[in-house]
Parts: sequence; C-alpha cells; structure tokens
Amino acid sequence: AQKITQTQPGMFVQEKEAVTLDCTYDTSDPSYGLFWYKQPSSGEMIFLIYQGSYDQQNATEGRYSLNFQKARKSANLVISASQLGDSAMYFCAMREGVAGKSTFGDGTTLTVKP
Amino acid sequence: NAGVTQTPKFRVLKTGQSMTLLCAQDMNHEYMYWYRQDPGMGLRLIHYSVGEGTTAKGEVPDGYNVSRLKKQNFLLGLESAAPSQTSVYFCASSKETLGSNEQFFGPGTRLTVL
Repeated sequence: AQKITQTQPGMFVQEKEAVTLDCTYDTSDPSYGLFWYKQPSSGEMIFLIYQGSYDQQNATEGRYSLNFQKARKSANLVISASQLGDSAMYFCAMREGVAGKSTFGDGTTLTVKP
Repeated sequence: NAGVTQTPKFRVLKTGQSMTLLCAQDMNHEYMYWYRQDPGMGLRLIHYSVGEGTTAKGEVPDGYNVSRLKKQNFLLGLESAAPSQTSVYFCASSKETLGSNEQFFGPGTRLTVL
C-alpha cells in the first residue's frame, strides 16, 4: 500500500487565488512528521512546512498552511494568494521512526496562471 | 555555510562502469540520506546513515553501496551501472529526527547510464 498518496498529478490556479494540494498518508506509528517540499523547475528541494502527529493546531508558515485531519490521515497544503513563482512540483512526505526515514508522494505539479 | 553539496552535478556512464557520488554537509548533522528521483515521480530512499560509521538500507538499495567514514561525508557508489539507474540523485541531511527538523537537500546529481 502507498504510504503517501497525492491524487492530483496537476493543478491549475489563478494568480492571487488560494489552492489546496491533497495528501493522504498511511502509518501505524503513533509518532510521525509530515512535510511539504517545493521543487521548482531548477530542481532543488525547498522545505515549506511541517506538521507533527501530536500537534494540536494546524501548521502555518506565511502563505502556506497545512490542513491536518488526523482521523482521516490527510495533510493537505493550502497556498493562499498564489503567485506566479509558486508554479512548481509539490511533494508531501512522511517521516517515521528514530532514523527519520522519509517517504515521498509522487508530487503535484502546480501551475499558476496570470 | 555551504549547506549540502554534491559532486558531480552531471555524469554520463556506460553500462558496467562504476562511479562514486560524494555528498558533503557542513552543518554537523548526524543523519544523512541518499534518494533517487525518476522522471515524474517522488524521491525514493536508497540508503541512509544515522551517524558516522553506520549505514542502513532504504527502500531501493539494490545496485548501490554507501559509506560514512566521516560525519560530514556520505558516499554513494555504483559498482556496475545499469540503464535503470539513470536518475537524479539527491543527498539530504538532518540534525535530528524529531520535531520540525527538516531534511536539507543538496542540488542533485543527474546521472545517465547508456
């Protein structure tokens, strides 16, 4: 079974609008971390936001927020006020275990339209 | 600080040739990881290390070997390259595996095996 599922291969959003990128995960470990990374066309991996499994509140970092629904095992990324520079591939990842091994989803390509 | 650096940035090999990819980090991180990213897919963990002198297998370890003789360096070796190993290779490091300690990624090595 897939540990991380991103069901949207591609998404389009109008500039200045908000967009939600979906991520569901599967684990039996009570302690885990969820991360979102951005990969622009230049190829580097950029950390965006983190949510811990025991965190009571949804994480926020500037225009990024994470809609964490633990019972549904979902960790959707919300980008508010989209900018042209947000066009990139976005990866959801889950970290488990003491070694911090991470599993990545297959990503969602976001295109922001002017 | 340079962060995480990878050498080389690009490489073309013939089937059967060997090579070593070097990852170096100057952040004194304990944990280091090697991933591969195939076109249109997420990152998959090859091998990882939880400290100097220790290594362990990840999700896709076959055909690769690693060594962590110094804390700051993590080497990935291909003994006999195969076309299926054509990919972009990312190295990452992490200070800890708890809380919001994200993985810091290198710029990647694009490897083509003919």
